[in-house]
Amino acid sequence: EAQVTQNPRYLITVTGKKLTVTCSQNMNHEYMSWYRQDPGLGLRQIYYSMNVEVTDKGDVPEGYKVSRKEKRNFPLILESPSPNQTSLYFCASSLARGKGTDTQYFGPGTRLTVL
Amino acid sequence: AQKVTQAQTEISVVEKEDVTLDCVYETRDTTYYLFWYKQPPSGELVFLIRRNSFDEQNEISGRYSWNFQKSTSSFNFTITASQVVDSAVYFCALSGSGTYKYIFGTGTRLKVLA
Repeated sequence: EAQVTQNPRYLITVTGKKLTVTCSQNMNHEYMSWYRQDPGLGLRQIYYSMNVEVTDKGDVPEGYKVSRKEKRNFPLILESPSPNQTSLYFCASSLARGKGTDTQYFGPGTRLTVL
Repeated sequence: AQKVTQAQTEISVVEKEDVTLDCVYETRDTTYYLFWYKQPPSGELVFLIRRNSFDEQNEISGRYSWNFQKSTSSFNFTITASQVVDSAVYFCALSGSGTYKYIFGTGTRLKVLA
């Protein structure tokens, strides 16, 4: 089954404790992206990757890191989480036949609470 | 800069009513792509439609239809004969041909009452 998986689905942590949210896709998609969803703000793009070893900032990258060492994986790293990073996070993937062209398929979401 | 505006924060309708969700966008790209996604109460994001800027034909899929008007920079979504299962948050999104970024609107929460 074609899918995007995220782990963990729920996470409660404390300020300053480094964490990683994993994202994996089995569709051989070149493009992967991370979003955060906050009430009243919709989805905002954090980082995206056009292919292996190619990443770029979205609209809200502060406090986050990413890496793309393999095509199928795109982990989101919070080196020192803060309460304002409490949010619902989505990973997405798509083909990258051209900029902005392709439909993104989303993972199930990770609900993160930083105390 | 690109922007997507969904001015309707929440809409409530009674089952079987028709409802239109508005989406207004801004972009300087001549080629761009518009999307609608549905987020039901279970939380996942479900793709509904993609439209490119060169295709202004309206599209109908069952009870769903989309009206794309470049002249007013709008890409509105209509649900005909709404059902309780249509209750969800609906997001409009935009991506331009000059970028790999996607811009989402703030979403419209639709409540369909039995």
